[in-house]
Amino acid sequence: EPEVTQTPSHQVTQMGQEVILRCVPISNHLYFYWYRQILGQKVEFLVSFYNNEISEKSEIFDDQFSVERPDGSNFTLKIRSTKLEDSAMYFCASSLELSNIQYFGAGTRLSVL
Amino acid sequence: AQTVTQSQPEMSVQEAETVTLSCTYDTSESDYYLFWYKQPPSRQMILVIRQEAYKQQNATENRFSVNFQKAAKSFSLKISDSQLGDAAMYFCAYRHRDSGTYKYIFGTGTRLKVLA
Repeated sequence: EPEVTQTPSHQVTQMGQEVILRCVPISNHLYFYWYRQILGQKVEFLVSFYNNEISEKSEIFDDQFSVERPDGSNFTLKIRSTKLEDSAMYFCASSLELSNIQYFGAGTRLSVL
Repeated sequence: AQTVTQSQPEMSVQEAETVTLSCTYDTSESDYYLFWYKQPPSRQMILVIRQEAYKQQNATENRFSVNFQKAAKSFSLKISDSQLGDAAMYFCAYRHRDSGTYKYIFGTGTRLKVLA
């Protein structure tokens, strides 16, 4: 069964550094999403992406964050200057169409020291 | 605003027994989807079951079934014949359309322990 894959599984970085989290959505899917889960808290929507542009973003997704689909397969989340509070599990998801189920990846655990 | 509440932070069940995980939600919409996701220690979020609000029949998927009470805004998950592999964090989620995008609103999760 097709899966959403995310790399790395765990990323450790120093505060102030830039990180790029990578996702390979299911190949024929057109809609892409990032969610965040701070330890012990609920999963929160960050951003949705379609047709090479952001279609919706939450208040969490400030100027420090950006997303990109640099080629036909990858979907990345960049945090420009990480803060301690960015430490969380980041989930990528994709769906075939807007109204379809979103399939989630296994997540990347980001630890900001 | 839509909210999803899971009031049980942790539940335990004996292997082969049945357990029910609770979920309530708040919405003013009439047409929506509800989901249960499983997050085992491997961290992959796995879709367990989904329910369309316009369908009165409760969804079932093998040992997993839901009790969907639309008027009460309740969406509980029943796991029958529990297995050790069912041990995981379970998230209830509501799919909400806001400004043209579908977003998932998640509950805080229920950690299920399965006792041998």
